[in-house]
Amino acid sequence: EAGVAQSPRYKIIEKRQSVAFWCNPISGHATLYWYQQILGQGPKLLIQFQNNGVVDDSQLPKDRFSAERLKGVDSTLKIQPAKLEDSAVYLCASSQTRTGWFLHEQYFGPGTRLTVT
Amino acid sequence: DQQVKQNSPSLSVQEGRISILNCDYTNSMFDYFLWYKKYPAEGPTFLISISSIKDKNEDGRFTVFLNKSAKHLSLHIVPSQPGDSAVYFCAASDPNSGNTPLVFGKGTRLSVIA
Repeated sequence: EAGVAQSPRYKIIEKRQSVAFWCNPISGHATLYWYQQILGQGPKLLIQFQNNGVVDDSQLPKDRFSAERLKGVDSTLKIQPAKLEDSAVYLCASSQTRTGWFLHEQYFGPGTRLTVT
Repeated sequence: DQQVKQNSPSLSVQEGRISILNCDYTNSMFDYFLWYKKYPAEGPTFLISISSIKDKNEDGRFTVFLNKSAKHLSLHIVPSQPGDSAVYFCAASDPNSGNTPLVFGKGTRLSVIA
């Protein structure tokens, strides 16, 4: 079974430029997450999709970050304009739909390391 | 305010000995806990989990202990192997919240010395 795919793996941009990241989750996984991991910190959830609907975007800086999952499969995360503090690894994860109380594990992609100069 | 805390940024253990990684949490609504392992340039990979109805879960060399009254959990690795060297993240979730976001700690870097 193929894992979560992300691209690009690395990106360097100047502040005020825009950037987009792509994620392809594990086939059949209805739930998709974008996390931001700043150096020395744990991953922090930015946005969660259930199929193509947003479940939680409370920690997404909506003035500059946007994300979509139009067909309920692939997703893109965009930053426009980027700031220095956006330098981080952006992780995409997916999981099966939660059934009852049981929480399905999240499977992570390799991440995109963004450097903003 | 950090809801999940891993107070030891790093830990060194000799090969063959026990590794104990600790995690504390503050949100009493957390009911499900997971440990993830992360190698450099890779995403975190799921290792083991435990729900609050249990106080111990074992999977091969890995055992997670949960002390709900103390809001504390620990991961034991016995025996430790050089391939276990990685960053370990503790994560917690409230499955009753309607969503399933994970709240992560900052991680503990484990080095297993041959």
